[in-house]
Amino acid sequence: GEDVEQSLFLSVREGDSSVINCTYTDSSSTYLYWYKQEPGAGLQLLTYIFSNMDMKQDQRLTVLLNKKDKHLSLRIADTQTGDSAIYFCAEYLSSGYALNFGKGTSLLVTP
Amino acid sequence: DTGVSQDPRHKITKRGQNVTFRCDPISEHNRLYWYRQTLGQGPEFLTYFQNEAQLEKSRLLSDRFSAERPKGSFSTLEIQRTEQGDSAMYLCASSTIMGEQYFGPGTRLTVT
Repeated sequence: GEDVEQSLFLSVREGDSSVINCTYTDSSSTYLYWYKQEPGAGLQLLTYIFSNMDMKQDQRLTVLLNKKDKHLSLRIADTQTGDSAIYFCAEYLSSGYALNFGKGTSLLVTP
Repeated sequence: DTGVSQDPRHKITKRGQNVTFRCDPISEHNRLYWYRQTLGQGPEFLTYFQNEAQLEKSRLLSDRFSAERPKGSFSTLEIQRTEQGDSAMYLCASSTIMGEQYFGPGTRLTVT
């Protein structure tokens, strides 16, 4: 299948904003998700956006969706060291059951 | 705790042995999914159940893999005649129909 694309690494200083980008594949995808994974752990659902929205804000998290370019971004405001993790973008395939994940962006937050 | 649970968390086995993993979904979720994650990759879909019916299997699920959800609650994933290439994290997720998928902590399999 086609790949969901994400940049592999991002390093930011504590207190700055982080922006993680994703290009997805399925223009019919109804929902797009961001998950967080800490070392050795499962995936934690952070937030999601419905395809008829272009922005969603949830506390420090802002999701932007550009359907024309199939581009999704996650902005984390006031990034903390506890935000260091791998962030996965995932599209809910129009087939109606599976999530198609990117390879993840490793976020490192330095003091 | 009403999250997704998986057992065991870690499994080390010798090549050629059979292994079985268990997943207990969130109780009101009727969909259950299995994914596999290898190092440096995102999770890849293996199979999913709606209640007790297995409705889709990925081409990644070779004939050495079998999954069941006999009463529409917990699920098991069995790998027969394990190979070193089976070493991975096996993740289970559950959801309501069209709902968000919530993941368990995973079972890390190492085949020696």
